[in-house]
Formats: sequence, structure tokens, C-alpha cells
Amino acid sequence: AQSVTQLGSHVSVSEGALVLLRCNYSSSVPPYLFWYVQYPNQGLQLLLKYTSAATLVKGINGFEAEFKKSETSFHLTKPSAHMSDAAEYFCAVSPSGSSASKIIFGSGTRLSIRP
Amino acid sequence: DAGVTQSPTHLIKTRGQQVTLRCSPKSGHDTVSWYQQALGQGPQFIFQYYEEEERQRGNFPDRFSGHQFPNYSSELNVNALLLGDSALYLCASIRGQDTRSYEQYFGPGTRLTVT
Repeated sequence: AQSVTQLGSHVSVSEGALVLLRCNYSSSVPPYLFWYVQYPNQGLQLLLKYTSAATLVKGINGFEAEFKKSETSFHLTKPSAHMSDAAEYFCAVSPSGSSASKIIFGSGTRLSIRP
Repeated sequence: DAGVTQSPTHLIKTRGQQVTLRCSPKSGHDTVSWYQQALGQGPQFIFQYYEEEERQRGNFPDRFSGHQFPNYSSELNVNALLLGDSALYLCASIRGQDTRSYEQYFGPGTRLTVT
């Protein structure tokens, strides 16, 4: 069965510092992988997605993620954190070849930004 | 272009009651999925509707049922409410036949509280 594991339920970084949110996946078939962001009292917004094209994926708001098959990882990074990046981040996986398939989410990582 | 809309925003019900939540997909989308997000957790897939039929279902009891209308909007019904049903219910939509897009758009959610 497919699943994702997010390492660290809470990450705190200083403004301007590197953001690194970790995600490992488990899948028996080539997966589609996603990072979503959720601001307080709001729905989910797609940051970026991996769909078996380039392994380095660039998303919105300066975020990017690298698909590493050998490590079964899809970590999210941003070179310089902004206060506005404070939110909950979810890594997610879905079977490939099916655009409308269900999405399986990780438990989330809350990102805090220190001034 | 309106995105995914959900109603109501908030809802308070008593144990044993029934509730209906509503979702209107993004313009041009014909597939609707429902997710339950308990406090502090990632969203969990409930079911998906396409062409007015349930196409996929997650691990949720039969108390959870749904419907899709000819205009692609959808309802989620929950019978015999339990305290554990308290959660944010998210609706997501996608154009089911567009395998190139692979982005499900999420609504802001309905916050259900069961007392």
C-alpha cells in the first residue's frame, strides 16, 4: 500500500534561513508526489507536484523538491524563509497514471518562522 | 473563475443527528472527492464521485454517503453522528479525463463539530 511519512511534526527556523521539510514515501509503483500547504482556517493549496518528469521540481513561493528514488524521499526546501511561510505542510502520494485518483496524505509538518 | 466552494462554513450538530455538506467544483471540473481532516492530522480520503457514481471509496463506514448531481456539484451525508466525526471536511475537484493536469483543487472546507 502507498503511504508517506513526514519526519518532524514541527519545524522552526529563523527568517532568512533554509527551510527543509522531510518526506519519505512507500509505493510499489512509480508514484505521483505532492506537497500541499494549509494556512490557518483554510483549505489546501498545491505547492508542487512530481509526475515522473524532472526529478527536481520547482513550485510556487520559491519552494522546490527533489525526487530521489534510491532514498524514497521527496524533501521540500526553500533557500530563505519568510514570515509568510508559517503554515502546515503536507506531503502526499497518489498512484501514477490516474489523474483523479485518491491522494494519501502524511500527518503534516507545522513550520514556524522566528523573527 | 470561482474555485471550489463549500457550504456551510461551520456546523454544530448533536450526537445521533444527520448532516449534509455541499460542494461545488471548480468550473470545468467533473470529478469530486471528499476528505476528512481531524484536528492535527492529514486529510483522509472518504470517496470520489464521477458521472454521478461513487468511483472510489476510502476506509469509512456506510454512515458516510454521498451524491453527485448532473451539474457536478456534490453532497456528503453523515448519519448517526459520533463525537469522532468532528473534523474539517474538504472537497476537491479535478477534470477527470485530463491526465495531463493532475492537480486536484481543494475548497476551504466545512468545520463540523459534534457535541
